[in-house]
Amino acid sequence: AQKITQTQPGMFVQEKEAVTLDCTYDTSDPSYGLFWYKQPSSGEMIFLIYQGSYDQQNATEGRYSLNFQKARKSANLVISASQLGDSAMYFCAMRPTSGTYKYIFGTGTRLKVLA
Amino acid sequence: NAGVTQTPKFQVLKTGQSMTLQCAQDMNHNSMYWYRQDPGMGLRLIYYSASEGTTDKGEVPNGYNVSRLNKREFSLRLESAAPSQTSVYFCASSATVNTEAFFGQGTRLTVV
Repeated sequence: AQKITQTQPGMFVQEKEAVTLDCTYDTSDPSYGLFWYKQPSSGEMIFLIYQGSYDQQNATEGRYSLNFQKARKSANLVISASQLGDSAMYFCAMRPTSGTYKYIFGTGTRLKVLA
Repeated sequence: NAGVTQTPKFQVLKTGQSMTLQCAQDMNHNSMYWYRQDPGMGLRLIYYSASEGTTDKGEVPNGYNVSRLNKREFSLRLESAAPSQTSVYFCASSATVNTEAFFGQGTRLTVV
């Protein structure tokens, strides 16, 4: 069975500092994709970054990078140079690339950036 | 650019009433999903449709039914609403297994 675990219900970070949001996963699928989404207080879901399980390099998108450690089954999101606008809920998600195609999410981490 | 459109945005139901949440996407995506979001529980997958003509149960399917009417539309039906189904419901779609999901704006459903 697939499972995503986000163990940090809430995090604080000072503006301009970097922060790491943890995500671990469990799956028996040999090939899968890992995603991070941001949900501001307005409620919409915003895609941030994608990592394929066979990608050799960690994904980066602007200030977002994904620290992918396949053997440890972790896919942590790193936000560099935090901004006040980064305050939001962050969700880790996973989907196998074959088989069930179930797209599941973790419980989320609420990040608050302090001025 | 409509993307994923959900209707209605808000709904209040009495226990035992039925309703259908509508979802349509105009991006020609193959896969569509229904989630519910509850405080502290993240997004939980109710049902999904990998492609037109197929539907499968997700993590929390009890009390719900779905219909993939065509490639564009994926509806979620509550046959007999219960207070435990009070939640925010999101519809999403994706083109392929390696691409991100696009979400609707959500439906806030309250069952009293």
